[in-house]
Amino acid sequence: QQQVRQSPQSLTVWEGETAILNCSYEDSTFDYFPWYWQFPRESPALLIAIRPVSNKKEDGRFTIFFNKREKKLSLHITDSQPGDSATYFCAASRDMGYKLTFGTGTSLLVDP
Amino acid sequence: GPKVLQIPSHQIIDMGQMVTLNCDPVSNHLYFYWYKQILGQQMEFLVNFYNGKVMEKSKLFKDQFSVERPDGSYFTLKIQPTALEDSAVYFCASSLDPGSGNTLYFGEGSRLIVV
Repeated sequence: QQQVRQSPQSLTVWEGETAILNCSYEDSTFDYFPWYWQFPRESPALLIAIRPVSNKKEDGRFTIFFNKREKKLSLHITDSQPGDSATYFCAASRDMGYKLTFGTGTSLLVDP
Repeated sequence: GPKVLQIPSHQIIDMGQMVTLNCDPVSNHLYFYWYKQILGQQMEFLVNFYNGKVMEKSKLFKDQFSVERPDGSYFTLKIQPTALEDSAVYFCASSLDPGSGNTLYFGEGSRLIVV
């Protein structure tokens, strides 16, 4: 049973467009939602995270929109750059990160 | 930024043999983790470790698995004996207390192939 789902599996956008990556979850006790990105041959790194007290978290060109009622969140990347090309993992935790449940990832390609 | 180092980066091993995966965490971190990723699937939590003890382990953390960090050296994952289904990339991570909002830092993974 997959507790965290991501869509699409892969996404291609043009440079300057907004990329939208989706994530949904099943367990309503999850209380922490980090997004990690991973470049080829590198380790996953924390990009941005949100807790359910907020429905939006912004950091530069990256914004998480969170819908607690529908158990959905999305990562918006505005003005996408080729350097944003990576695999993005949505994760969830019910204990602030001691144990993370990951989605299967979205592979983003930004074409110049 | 802070780096978690994993050794080896990849290893091929015969089924039934023992393997030890080594992790050199960020120097002042106190919490350590192992995650397993089978090709094409998501990373899955195996175990977390603090103050010399396992805090929590998942169903994937079979009896053949063990972790330790003797005297502040490498944080290790040992599999003995290995099985074909243990083939995966194993990611180590470390952090300060995540309950205080501290980030997990991941290594680049150790790719294990059991033949």
